Amino acid sequence: DVKVTQSSRYLVKRTGEKVFLECVQDMDHENMFWYRQDPGLGLRLIYFSYDVKMKEKGDIPEGYSVSREKKERFSLILESASTNQTSMYLCASSPRLAGGFNEQFFGPGTRLTVL
Amino acid sequence: GQQVMQIPQYQHVQEGEDFTTYCNSSTTLSNIQWYKQRPGGHPVFLIQLVKSGEVKKQKRLTFQFGEAKKNSSLHITATQTTDVGTYFCAGQNTGNQFYFGTGTSLTVIP
Repeated sequence: DVKVTQSSRYLVKRTGEKVFLECVQDMDHENMFWYRQDPGLGLRLIYFSYDVKMKEKGDIPEGYSVSREKKERFSLILESASTNQTSMYLCASSPRLAGGFNEQFFGPGTRLTVL
Repeated sequence: GQQVMQIPQYQHVQEGEDFTTYCNSSTTLSNIQWYKQRPGGHPVFLIQLVKSGEVKKQKRLTFQFGEAKKNSSLHITATQTTDVGTYFCAGQNTGNQFYFGTGTSLTVIP
């Protein structure tokens, strides 16, 4: 079974702190994604990566950066956390097959609260 | 702005009733995926549709992709309490961008 793990289920940070959210997948998937989920807004793509050291902006990249130094690990960084970044953050991975984006496997999510 | 709209946002049904959620895109889609998220859980892939007019079934679930590849629907026949959750569509447009819909939260009343 594909397993996607995230470093924390719950996280509380203060405004202005630098925050790291880590995601690891064990199925050698090329694609990895970071989403945030807010009530009524569904899942919004922050960044995705289709290969090591490669990244593409999603729908809402402002205030976030990412790092992919190894194939299995994709990190989301909040350089200076703000209260409007309080949300559920979901990481996902998928294989790169013909035809574009394929089935995504999600991690359990990190509920981040910024005070 | 949101590229993929989904309606309704919420749906309450009596157990045994049918349920449908609709997904509409402002642009033509290459493919569309459907996911289910149980309360407190994470999204889990259900199916992917690729062809215009495609219809796929999984037991009581029927998925359709519109002829113009701009809309899709998920229909559940005779809902059960295990169907509770939020159903998301996710579409890839021809520009290789990928968007999730806003989701439909289904409550099944026993």
